[in-house]
Amino acid sequence: GAGVSQSPSNKVTEKGKDVELRCDPISGHTALYWYRQSLGQGLEFLIYFQGNSAPDKSGLPSDRFSAERTGGSVSTLTIQRTQQEDSAVYLCASSHQRGRAGELFFGEGSRLTVL
Amino acid sequence: SQKIEQNSEALNIQEGKTATLTCNYTNYSPAYLQWYRQDPGRGPVFLLLIRENEKEKRKERLKVTFDTTLKQSLFHITASQPADSATYLCAWNSGNTPLVFGKGTRLSVIA
Repeated sequence: GAGVSQSPSNKVTEKGKDVELRCDPISGHTALYWYRQSLGQGLEFLIYFQGNSAPDKSGLPSDRFSAERTGGSVSTLTIQRTQQEDSAVYLCASSHQRGRAGELFFGEGSRLTVL
Repeated sequence: SQKIEQNSEALNIQEGKTATLTCNYTNYSPAYLQWYRQDPGRGPVFLLLIRENEKEKRKERLKVTFDTTLKQSLFHITASQPADSATYLCAWNSGNTPLVFGKGTRLSVIA
């Protein structure tokens, strides 16, 4: 596609439920990132995928968070047993650079509200 | 650990003036500094990248400087317009680290 696509754009869920957020990166981009942005806060790094290498999971806040990237393309971020503090906008970005230095192309984000 | 700080939460300027936004970092010099624009409800959009061995980068009305002595990057928008109103984010990384973002400065250009 023309840009990074994320779905759903909005998700409201009840505390304790699991949610899945999807990211479809720009075709040909080997690097994929997940960030989250809470109200009034900066972007918080969650996880980074680069090609077939093991992902950098150093930013995941707890073991309730996991992500996978199938076939080097689409990625799914899963949050299990959601808590109210998980409410945020989850942003996905992709990059055509093999290293970390390249510019990131962001999607419009998935806004998660946990009641 | 390395921190990146954008000193102003908000900046208001008159149309036609030059807006100057500041990004400071602690500790070691990042290999790269990037600037992004974010509009409400949208994802950030890349504007400029400057490397640690570069003093200045320009793109149309935008200019970024990188001063490793002051541990600071300045982002300038000349001849500012109301359409430039947005939140501007700086971000850094060094080699193999993920891009770390500041909290952003919300710029309002008043006609």
